[in-house]
Order: sequence, then C-alpha cells, then structure tokens
Amino acid sequence: EVQLVESGGGLVQPGGSLRLSCAASGFTFRSFDMTWVRQAPGKGLEWVALISRSGGGTYYADSVKGRFTISRDNSDNTVYLQMNSLRAEDTAVYYCAKDGSYGRIREDSVFVYYYFMDVWGNGTRVTVSS
Amino acid sequence: EIVLTQSPGTLALSPGERATLSCRASQSFSSSNLAWYQQKPGQSPRLLIYGSSIRATGIPDRFSGSGSGTDFTLSISRLEPEDFAVYYCQQYGSSPPYSFGQGTKLEIK
Repeated sequence: EVQLVESGGGLVQPGGSLRLSCAASGFTFRSFDMTWVRQAPGKGLEWVALISRSGGGTYYADSVKGRFTISRDNSDNTVYLQMNSLRAEDTAVYYCAKDGSYGRIREDSVFVYYYFMDVWGNGTRVTVSS
Repeated sequence: EIVLTQSPGTLALSPGERATLSCRASQSFSSSNLAWYQQKPGQSPRLLIYGSSIRATGIPDRFSGSGSGTDFTLSISRLEPEDFAVYYCQQYGSSPPYSFGQGTKLEIK
C-alpha cells in the first residue's frame, strides 16, 4: 500500500523552529518529486515547497522562501520540511504529497506530460502561538 | 505567477442534480497541467482529475473535466450524497509555485 505519514508538528512560539518529516512507503521513493502543501484553519490549500526526485531541485512559495527548507533522504524514504522564523500565519495542517506525473504520446503523436499529486498524507498540525 | 480563481465560492444543490464548477486562470497554460482535488471535512485532499479531463484511478464517471487556455470546468453529472465537499483546482504552469484555486464548497440544498 502506498502511504505517506507526516510527523513533527506541534505548538511553537513565534520565531521558533520546527522540522516536519514525511515517511513514505509502498513505492520507489527516489523516483518521484515530493511536495508540501498546507492548509490554515478554515482556509484553502496552499502549495508550500517541492523537491525533485534527486533532491537537486527545490522550489518554494514566496510566503516561505528564505525561512523554510525542503530536503529528502532517499536512503530512508523520507522528505523533510525545516521551518525557521515561524510566524502566526504559518499555523496550518501540513500535508506531504507524492508526485504522480507522467508523459505519453497522444493519438496525434504529440508528447504530453501530465502533472498532478496522486497520494497525500494525513497531515501534521503546526500551531505558532505564544 | 499564475492565479486561479474558482467560482462560485459555494454551490448549494440537491442530490441527483448536476454541478458545474469553474476555475479561471490569470494566464493561459497547457490543459495537461490542470488538476482537480476533492476534500471532505477532516480528510486529506484526493486527486479527482488531471490533464484537465482525465479521471484518476477509481473516480466515478459522473465526474468530468474540461477546458483549455484559462478556463476550466469540473462537472458532476448526478450528485451523490458523498460528493458534497470542497473542490480545488491546481495549476502546473511553466515553473513553481504550483498554486491552487481558493476552492468551491459544494453543499446540500
């Protein structure tokens, strides 16, 4: 069974740090990009960060750039989100998600690449408050 | 950065009716780069549609997606009680960030 399990959430004071982990199982972890998505209480989904399958490429939302760092350990099938200088507005449930993207040649002989996230974890809650 | 605007914010319908949800982008991108997710209260999001019109594994055929350029639509042909949830579109433009729309809440009338 393909599974993602997040951990590391909790209560932290403004300005503090927290490291989230996402343990993957049931698939070849090193072959897929991974993403963190968050959801503030009562709000919508916010894309946070992405890391390429090798770990050589990392991308961030402007709201977290310079404060958050995404990383991965392909030998341990785990993706991390190091969160520093936390603010009240970082309070959210943080989900990790597996990239499911693939490419194929359509009937008209055009190569098309489809992008999406096909597996999500249950999330870990982060509360930033004094 | 591409901004996605979903409408309506809330849609109230009865079981058996047809639902039409809209997702409009601030700039054009390939239809292969648009996905839809469903989220029920207390649950993680679930992939419904990718490539703007391809149903994910296990998704009933009452769900369909369409669109191109800047305008995309998710349709649910005959609403079942389990379909009442929040729906999000997401874009994968030329580069990150891969933003979501703000969501459409589909509620029982």
